[in-house]
Amino acid sequence: DAGVIQSPRHEVTEMGQEVTLRCKPISGHNSLFWYRQTMMRGLELLIYFNNNVPIDDSGMPEDRFSAKMPNASFSTLKIQPSEPRDSAVYFCASSFQGFTEAFFGQGTRLTVV
Amino acid sequence: EDKVVQSPLSLVVHEGDTVTLNCSYEVTNFRSLLWYKQEKKAPTFLFMLTSSGIEKKSGRLSSILDKKELFSILNITATQTGDSAIYLCAVGSAPGQNFVFGPGTRLSVLP
Repeated sequence: DAGVIQSPRHEVTEMGQEVTLRCKPISGHNSLFWYRQTMMRGLELLIYFNNNVPIDDSGMPEDRFSAKMPNASFSTLKIQPSEPRDSAVYFCASSFQGFTEAFFGQGTRLTVV
Repeated sequence: EDKVVQSPLSLVVHEGDTVTLNCSYEVTNFRSLLWYKQEKKAPTFLFMLTSSGIEKKSGRLSSILDKKELFSILNITATQTGDSAIYLCAVGSAPGQNFVFGPGTRLSVLP
């Protein structure tokens, strides 16, 4: 298995632009997590899905952030409009319903200028 | 609210030293505790602990869980410069719920 695949690996965008981050979880995993990591705040959970259904999105900073999981093999995290304070590394991870560890993708480093 | 605390937040040692990293937690419906190592990129999995008192070991690394006192330790013996990383502790709750991460311990091993 190729593991959790995220794209793009790096994204530089101007403030106000829409940003879409993509994630393909490990086949057979039914839990998917979006995390954001910064030096100041560490690894923060933004939202997680079980069986494609959002379970807890209380970590989503504000209405500018949205996430979807249209099927078991794909999820997106969208920021619209983006702001400089959104600059961070965004990780996607997947697990089998908490029975296994969470496997992380390589992350997307987002820079908003 | 689920909470994971790690200590120390930062640690500097010399090669050959032994280190102990701490993780304490408060979660509802505890299921598992996980340790990850993060170097420059994504966190990589080290251990998953679900039962008290059973040591998990991998080379120079070992970990144990105390579910009564709600903590875990990660030991690294004979440290090497390649052990320099952030060590993250995470707690998973009942099936269908998420993994909550602690702030991490930044370990620096000097030659």
